[in-house]
Amino acid sequence: NAGVTQTPKFRVLKTGQSMTLLCAQDMNHEYMYWYRQDPGMGLRLIHYSVGEGTTAKGEVPDGYNVSRLKKQNFLLGLESAAPSQTSVYFCASSYPAGHQETQYFGPGTRLLVL
Amino acid sequence: GENVEQHPSTLSVQEGDSAVIKCTYSDSASNYFPWYKQELGKRPQLIIDIRSNVGEKKDQRIAVTLNKTAKHFSLHITETQPEDSAVYFCAAIRSGDNTDKLIFGTGTRLQVFP
Repeated sequence: NAGVTQTPKFRVLKTGQSMTLLCAQDMNHEYMYWYRQDPGMGLRLIHYSVGEGTTAKGEVPDGYNVSRLKKQNFLLGLESAAPSQTSVYFCASSYPAGHQETQYFGPGTRLLVL
Repeated sequence: GENVEQHPSTLSVQEGDSAVIKCTYSDSASNYFPWYKQELGKRPQLIIDIRSNVGEKKDQRIAVTLNKTAKHFSLHITETQPEDSAVYFCAAIRSGDNTDKLIFGTGTRLQVFP
């Protein structure tokens, strides 16, 4: 099992450019999450999904969109990148709340917006 | 919504000493409290967790205690070793409600000096 994988590992964007981050998991988890990690801010939830075809906003959703067309994939999109979106992005997956809540994280994507 | 505060933000200890990290939460309905360890440049990984029906849980050199009345929980690491150096995150969630989310503290950077 590969667990949770993320593509790409590192990306540099210019302000205004768009990109999509891909998260894939092979553990048959229902729940998937996107977080951003900034120094001193911990892990902040951007969007999450409790099942295929469903998405919901987290703590800091502005400037991002997501899609969960397949159970194993969760995509995070930046339509018009801003320097404030420079961060490390982590994807995670888990079983439904009330069962095994352990969240398994991907290796992260480091994004630099110039 | 839930709010999790974590202290201290940095902690330095001598190898062999104990380390304690404390977190407080605001939602009295939260019932699941995991701790994640993130080594430099790596992904966060679960190291121990506790549910609200338990006051203490141990796993070798690490333990977590929970005080529901005061709404705080703590991570205790005994006989610290250099490989314990990492950032530790606490989190809280009202498990069983699929509309609720895991809320993380801002992290504690632990340095263990030989």
